Amino acid sequence: DGGITQSPKYLFRKEGQNVTLSCEQNLNHDAMYWYRQDPGQGLRLIYYSQIVNDFQKGDIAEGYSVSREKKESFPLTVTSAQKNPTAFYLCASSPGQGNDEQYFGPGTRLTVT
Amino acid sequence: GQNIDQPTEMTATEGAIVQINCTYQTSGFNGLFWYQQHAGEAPTFLSYNVLDGLEEKGRFSSFLSRSKGYSYLLLKELQMKDSASYLCAVRDDRNAGNMLTFGGGTRLMVKP
Repeated sequence: DGGITQSPKYLFRKEGQNVTLSCEQNLNHDAMYWYRQDPGQGLRLIYYSQIVNDFQKGDIAEGYSVSREKKESFPLTVTSAQKNPTAFYLCASSPGQGNDEQYFGPGTRLTVT
Repeated sequence: GQNIDQPTEMTATEGAIVQINCTYQTSGFNGLFWYQQHAGEAPTFLSYNVLDGLEEKGRFSSFLSRSKGYSYLLLKELQMKDSASYLCAVRDDRNAGNMLTFGGGTRLMVKP
């Protein structure tokens, strides 16, 4: 089955620790995205990548880092510099040809205490 | 920049019709999406409009007026399972048109 997977579904960390969220897709999509969603709010773009070995900052990139070494993988690291890391993190991908929808993974809920 | 507005919450009755509005301001408009999101789950695609007019898909329809910067999602014959958040997202022509900006979402509660 083709799709996007994110793991784990729930993640707990202590303040001051870096944590990496996984995102894998087997849809052969070129473009991948990371969003953050806070309770009762819409999605805000953290980082995106339109092709392997290239990525760009989104609207709220501070305190986050990404890599795109393989087409199917786009991990997100939440660093200790991120002031309010507790949130629901969603990964998405799209074929990347412009007029196409984004497909979302199931999300990872990160809680930092 | 972009600005997308939609109501925060709406309530409707099972079997009824509800219209969820979305207004936007953007440069280089290149399409508008509606997504449905149940609590704690991933958004799922509902509809896409790039030209003016109405797109119908079963119980759901979406309308777009580019001159007014306005769209709505119409849900007919409401069912309890339609209780969810509905996200309006606008694509503009930044970065080859792959970027979406999302509104805050409208939480719809369907009551018996």
